[in-house]
Amino acid sequence: DAGVIQSPRHEVTEMGQEVTLRCKPISGHDYLFWYRQTMMRGLELLIYFNNNVPIDDSGMPEDRFSAKMPNASFSTLKIQPSEPRDSAVYFCASSLARGGPYNEQFFGPGTRLTVL
Amino acid sequence: GDSVTQMEGPVTLSEEAFLTINCTYTATGYPSLFWYVQYPGEGLQLLLKATKADDKGSNKGFEATYRKETTSFHLEKGSVQVSDSAVYFCALRRYSGAGSYQLTFGKGTKLSVIP
Repeated sequence: DAGVIQSPRHEVTEMGQEVTLRCKPISGHDYLFWYRQTMMRGLELLIYFNNNVPIDDSGMPEDRFSAKMPNASFSTLKIQPSEPRDSAVYFCASSLARGGPYNEQFFGPGTRLTVL
Repeated sequence: GDSVTQMEGPVTLSEEAFLTINCTYTATGYPSLFWYVQYPGEGLQLLLKATKADDKGSNKGFEATYRKETTSFHLEKGSVQVSDSAVYFCALRRYSGAGSYQLTFGKGTKLSVIP
């Protein structure tokens, strides 16, 4: 298995531009998570999906952020318009529902976003 | 709400030294506890986990015991290697019903091991 795949690995954009981050979870996994990691705030859960349905988006910082999961094998996190304070590493992770809360999450390599 | 507090780093040790990274938590109910490791340029990987009080998780020489009375899950290794240099995250996961989870990570502790 290729693991969780994220693209792009690096993104540099200018303030005000739209940014779309992509994630392909591990095949068969029921849950998909989006995280943001910064030096100041550490690792923050933004949103997660169960069977393509958003369950908890309370971590999404503002209306500028949106996430979708149109099918079991693809999810996007969009920022529009982007701001310099959005610069961070964004991780996608997936896990199986079977076994409840004890199942580990498998993380992708992350997308390093820089907004100038 | 739930919270996880880790000792602040960075931590620098010589090879073969003993490692302890402290982690305490606050949560309602009965969370599961995890340690994740992040190597440079990579995503997080599960290192070990414990699902109930007094459970001991272990992997690759690392150990952590779920202590409910002290709400702690300290990470230990008897003899660190240069290859253990990474950032370590303590985390808790609590099921809150209807397919919903509460997930909380500590801020991470950077470990550097020098030859």
